Amino acid sequence: DTEVTQTPKHLVMGMTNKKSLKCEQHMGHRAMYWYKQKAKKPPELMFVYSYEKLSINESVPSRFSPECPNSSLLNLHLHALQPEDSALYLCASSQDPGSTEAFFGQGTRLTVV
Amino acid sequence: GESVGLHLPTLSVQEGDNSIINCAYSNSASDYFIWYKQESGKGPQFIIDIRSNMDKRQGQRVTVLLNKTVKHLSLQIAATQPGDSAVYFCAESIDSGYSTLTFGKGTMLLVSP
Repeated sequence: DTEVTQTPKHLVMGMTNKKSLKCEQHMGHRAMYWYKQKAKKPPELMFVYSYEKLSINESVPSRFSPECPNSSLLNLHLHALQPEDSALYLCASSQDPGSTEAFFGQGTRLTVV
Repeated sequence: GESVGLHLPTLSVQEGDNSIINCAYSNSASDYFIWYKQESGKGPQFIIDIRSNMDKRQGQRVTVLLNKTVKHLSLQIAATQPGDSAVYFCAESIDSGYSTLTFGKGTMLLVSP
């Protein structure tokens, strides 16, 4: 299994809603990531988890809250988002934290209304 | 701000041609330079990387060239196929123990049959 699976594929939420994005990998990878990608732009790193611990937070607003329940799962909890947070949210994993080869999921297309 | 960018936003080629995608970078401290391919509706996919102390690396149908003098990176794709049509991102990474990929703007490669 060489896949990173993200759910849901699409999500529409209001600015007062609370929702969660989920990511799963069964490759035994020890690093997992959240990236944000706006239309026609490159992905931008949000968070890095290494061995289930949050290692890097790229100054992401607190309305985004990551969680790594175990080595295979990564969640992104969303609360009080703004319309400008609408984007494709990509999860990725890599064998180890220093690897340049990241495996990306298909992403969750988020629309905040 | 971004330290990795691309010269050409769109490259159109005929099937069977060789393609060259270029990238300029500004961070001399980067340890790795990486190419990712993103097809429509999918997450980025790793193609090849090159360490900063190398100037050339070959993969299957792809070659990456690194010119540190002019801070230039290129991806050559031999015998381009319609399935190569995608957005190509160069990225850089500093070997800090974590793979924090910084992506460039991206080039759309369009391959005509």
